[in-house]
Amino acid sequence: AQSVTQLGSHVSVSEGALVLLRCNYSSSVPPYLFWYVQYPNQGLQLLLKYTSAATLVKGINGFEAEFKKSETSFHLTKPSAHMSDAAEYFCAVSAGGSNYKLTFGKGTLLTVNP
Amino acid sequence: KAGVTQTPRYLIKTRGQQVTLSCSPISGHRSVSWYQQTPGQGLQFLFEYFSETQRNKGNFPGRFSGRQFSNSRSEMNVSTLELGDSALYLCASSWLLTGDSPLHFGNGTRLTVT
Repeated sequence: AQSVTQLGSHVSVSEGALVLLRCNYSSSVPPYLFWYVQYPNQGLQLLLKYTSAATLVKGINGFEAEFKKSETSFHLTKPSAHMSDAAEYFCAVSAGGSNYKLTFGKGTLLTVNP
Repeated sequence: KAGVTQTPRYLIKTRGQQVTLSCSPISGHRSVSWYQQTPGQGLQFLFEYFSETQRNKGNFPGRFSGRQFSNSRSEMNVSTLELGDSALYLCASSWLLTGDSPLHFGNGTRLTVT
């Protein structure tokens, strides 16, 4: 069984500041890891995914995440926050194979202050 | 290419009624998954279909059911609605059969049960 823990249900940063959203996972097999973003009244959009290639994964909109097996973490970062980054972010894990069940974290609401 | 389309966007139903939600996946995608999103429980996996067969099912009561048609379109049905079924129901489609394939989400159907 797999699980995801996102530390901090709400993160607030100033425009131009570093964004760091934390995600720790638990999986009995090598996982596939994803970050999704959800804007108000919309579905989820894929930001990036880790599939056992490079441990540093670059995604859209300047976001990146680093897979650290020893820490079972997959934190999401962006060097400089923009007002348009304000949204809810979800980390998710899949056990791989033909298992299509994504297990999501509870989400982190990112607020960007001018 | 059109994205995942969910209809209707909003629904208001009364306790005890039943409801059917519809999802049209991205053209060529044969896997469709359904998720329930609530403020308290977050995103929870309902079920996943591939080529008209249910491959995975989440931990929901039998009142929740779904099906997939030969054109990959999917419907989910909830019978004997309860107040707790009020949620955003998200449909997602995917191209490949492996767990590293990202899901493409629709904008959801917001169900309110009164």
